[in-house]
Amino acid sequence: QKEVEQDPGPLSVPEGAIVSLNCTYSNSAFQYFMWYRQYSRKGPELLMYTYSSGNKEDGRFTAQVDKSSKYISLFIRDSQPSDSATYLCAMGQGAQKLVFGQGTRLTINP
Amino acid sequence: DADVTQTPRNRITKTGKRIMLECSQTKGHDRMYWYRQDPGLGLRLIYYSFDVKDINKGEISDGYSVSRQAQAKFSLSLESAIPNQTALYFCATSGDRYNEQFFGPGTRLTVL
Repeated sequence: QKEVEQDPGPLSVPEGAIVSLNCTYSNSAFQYFMWYRQYSRKGPELLMYTYSSGNKEDGRFTAQVDKSSKYISLFIRDSQPSDSATYLCAMGQGAQKLVFGQGTRLTINP
Repeated sequence: DADVTQTPRNRITKTGKRIMLECSQTKGHDRMYWYRQDPGLGLRLIYYSFDVKDINKGEISDGYSVSRQAQAKFSLSLESAIPNQTALYFCATSGDRYNEQFFGPGTRLTVL
């Protein structure tokens, strides 16, 4: 079993829809939870950073962490074609290295 | 200018050749990382370095070696390239918030 599982998609939704991206994990020691966005032919860029459980909102993006269920989510409201990218979840503990999910490829159709 | 640069951006080589991928950063970060990305497998860590004198293997280090020439430079070598090393390779750095990593643009490597 992988430490971090992420549905690779692809996921295709119409513009304006609410998008939900999810990851599950097995290591209860993870404390830091991140979402990276990767556009085609580019390196990943940090989108959201959350420590421990709870919600964090940044504009149209909301990151949610449920440590009891070992489940994290990224919600995108009012999705735009410019949100089309691959989204990777990542998790870490203390000063240790990050573990990434497989990435979900998202397309927002105009 | 980009904070994390990688050279070359694309490389095609043949089985058995030695290849070096280079990474430079202007962010002043101590920590640097090399990942490879394959479809359906996400990012997998090859090597990482917490400072110039500290280099560690990641989950898939076999067939690779690294050199940390300076705080700003971290190179990845494939001593004898094989076709299953065909992938997209990323360098990344992190600073005080070590879980916040900054990635370069990637090197697309094809081994024939």
